[in-house]
Amino acid sequence: NAGVTQTPKFQVLKTGQSMTLQCAQDMNHNSMYWYRQDPGMGLRLIYYSASEGTTDKGEVPNGYNVSRLNKREFSLRLESAAPSQTSVYFCASSGVKFGNTEAFFGQGTRLTVV
Amino acid sequence: AQKITQTQPGMFVQEKEAVTLDCTYDTSDQSYGLFWYKQPSSGEMIFLIYQGSYDEQNATEGRYSLNFQKARKSANLVISASQLGDSAMYFCAMREGIQGAQKLVFGQGTRLTINP
Repeated sequence: NAGVTQTPKFQVLKTGQSMTLQCAQDMNHNSMYWYRQDPGMGLRLIYYSASEGTTDKGEVPNGYNVSRLNKREFSLRLESAAPSQTSVYFCASSGVKFGNTEAFFGQGTRLTVV
Repeated sequence: AQKITQTQPGMFVQEKEAVTLDCTYDTSDQSYGLFWYKQPSSGEMIFLIYQGSYDEQNATEGRYSLNFQKARKSANLVISASQLGDSAMYFCAMREGIQGAQKLVFGQGTRLTINP
């Protein structure tokens, strides 16, 4: 049982390049989320998805797009990376298991845009 | 408006003492959930405990308990018998919204340092 898996763990991009961060969960959760965490800060919600086929903007969606490919996978795309997008990105999923609500995170992706 | 407020940027506690980390929240929803996470220096986010707005009992999980005061809109984390390994950032989070469109938003965190 892997939980939430994010790839890659580290990435360096040049300004203007594009990339997709991948996230997959194997816990059969309905909800999935993408966050960014800047140094010394809390987590800010970029986008979230309540179920397959639906996505909604969070607090800081500008410069990002997402796809909820199926129940398991939720990807985050940077179309034209900017230095301000240098951050650690976390994917999370949430659901109910055995009557208990849970929300787990992936290991994070450390992205540097130069 | 800030949805989740953690007013203690840093806390210093002696090993074996109990510690309370504060969290207040703001929502007009009747149905919501509150989470606490631990983030050690290695960076991963570790799920600690969850409290639903309709849960009548305070949630407990090992040495962690959540002091839920609904009328005051507070959801403080209590760690009993603190250990050196408890030193980390701690984040409070709230899930709100109608079923099927629920956001999960975080406070700014509290850095807890356990002294030997």
